Amino acid sequence: DGGITQSPKYLFRKEGQNVTLSCEQNLNHDAMYWYRQDPGQGLRLIYYSQIVNDFQKGDIAEGYSVSREKKESFPLTVTSAQKNPTAFYLCASSKDKGPLSYGYTFGSGTRLTVV
Amino acid sequence: AQSVTQLDSHVSVSEGTPVLLRCNYSSSYSPSLFWYVQHPNKGLQLLLKYTSAATLVKGINGFEAEFKKSETSFHLTKPSAHMSDAAEYFCVVRGFNDMRFGAGTRLTVKP
Repeated sequence: DGGITQSPKYLFRKEGQNVTLSCEQNLNHDAMYWYRQDPGQGLRLIYYSQIVNDFQKGDIAEGYSVSREKKESFPLTVTSAQKNPTAFYLCASSKDKGPLSYGYTFGSGTRLTVV
Repeated sequence: AQSVTQLDSHVSVSEGTPVLLRCNYSSSYSPSLFWYVQHPNKGLQLLLKYTSAATLVKGINGFEAEFKKSETSFHLTKPSAHMSDAAEYFCVVRGFNDMRFGAGTRLTVKP
């Protein structure tokens, strides 16, 4: 079955560490997205990518970095510069590049906790 | 800019009674609107979408939503709540490059 796989499901980070969240899709979708979810705030866009080797900042990109070397993969690195990284992170993909009519397919999320 | 406002952060209903989750939108062009559902610690699942066809949209699990341009609303309804409907629901509007999410409505279903 086609879908999006996020790993790990739970991740713990020590202060000052960088961590990388994995997102892989086998839907042949062009566009991929990273969102952060905090209680009562809905989802906020971190980064998105519409084609390989290209990505754009979203609303809250500071302290995060991404790469898009393959169509199937869009990993997110949470750097030590992100001061409040504890959150639920969701990866999504869409077959649209431009105006979106199809909506997103979501992964099952990674819960990141700073310890 | 496109945005949505979910009017209730929490809705509580009894099993078997109707569900109404309210959403107002703002869009500078003809909007595409979506409702997603999220169960605890899970990703989001598409319930239904409106993309300028019929104004009454039917989705999965007995949910439906009506697009009302005059009221800039896209409320989600279900005639009879089931315990399994307890979850977080998000109203979403299409942006040019991404989707814009409401803050969410938590639906509680009492036995």
